[in-house]
Amino acid sequence: GAVVSQHPSRVICKSGTSVKIECRSLDFQATTMFWYRQFPKQSLMLMATSNEGSKATYEQGVEKDKFLINHASLTLSTLTVTSAHPEDSSFYICSARDTSGGADTQYFGPGTRLTVL
Amino acid sequence: GQQLNQSPQSMFIQEGEDVSMNCTSSSIFNTWLWYKQDPGEGPVLLIALYKAGELTSNGRLTAQFGITRKDSFLNISASIPSDVGIYFCAGRTLGGATNKLIFGTGTLLAVQP
Repeated sequence: GAVVSQHPSRVICKSGTSVKIECRSLDFQATTMFWYRQFPKQSLMLMATSNEGSKATYEQGVEKDKFLINHASLTLSTLTVTSAHPEDSSFYICSARDTSGGADTQYFGPGTRLTVL
Repeated sequence: GQQLNQSPQSMFIQEGEDVSMNCTSSSIFNTWLWYKQDPGEGPVLLIALYKAGELTSNGRLTAQFGITRKDSFLNISASIPSDVGIYFCAGRTLGGATNKLIFGTGTLLAVQP
């Protein structure tokens, strides 16, 4: 299957700082990428849809000024958690939509474990 | 956010047994996807279904897109220890500009050797 990478895989930061997470589609172009958050023993919850060259679409209850998304190219989307607090500690996972070859699937990155002290 | 109903929540089986899990929705979907997630990892795509009634296999895994377009099941035959993990269904609704996925609540599978 297609490969999606995320960097960093884990990050620990102090409360009040900002953290940037990168998501890259390595072998296909993705006009649409998605950012999810997953708390322990729970399912994936969609935070926002990242569209290349346009503004991201945020799900209800997700603060767009706190979770900044940039999708500057067809293979890269970034999520910046601004002024992080302990309650932002979670597993953040991105996915990239692959519509090549007549398919329409989403491939996920390996996730980023964020711990805010 | 919206979630699909996935059952069972967890399964504890012996190696070699067959496994079945399913997802149901109140909405019609045009795509069903099944993923497996290992601890600390992102979900890995197992099977993608695009047509109502479609039955697709991937090795020991078989999944079907329900005729009503509101449900899907995943079967695993002759389970092995490495099948352990959390399995998620995901559906994509008709229309909509974002084509976002709605995820099931997950099924935790434990396989005893």
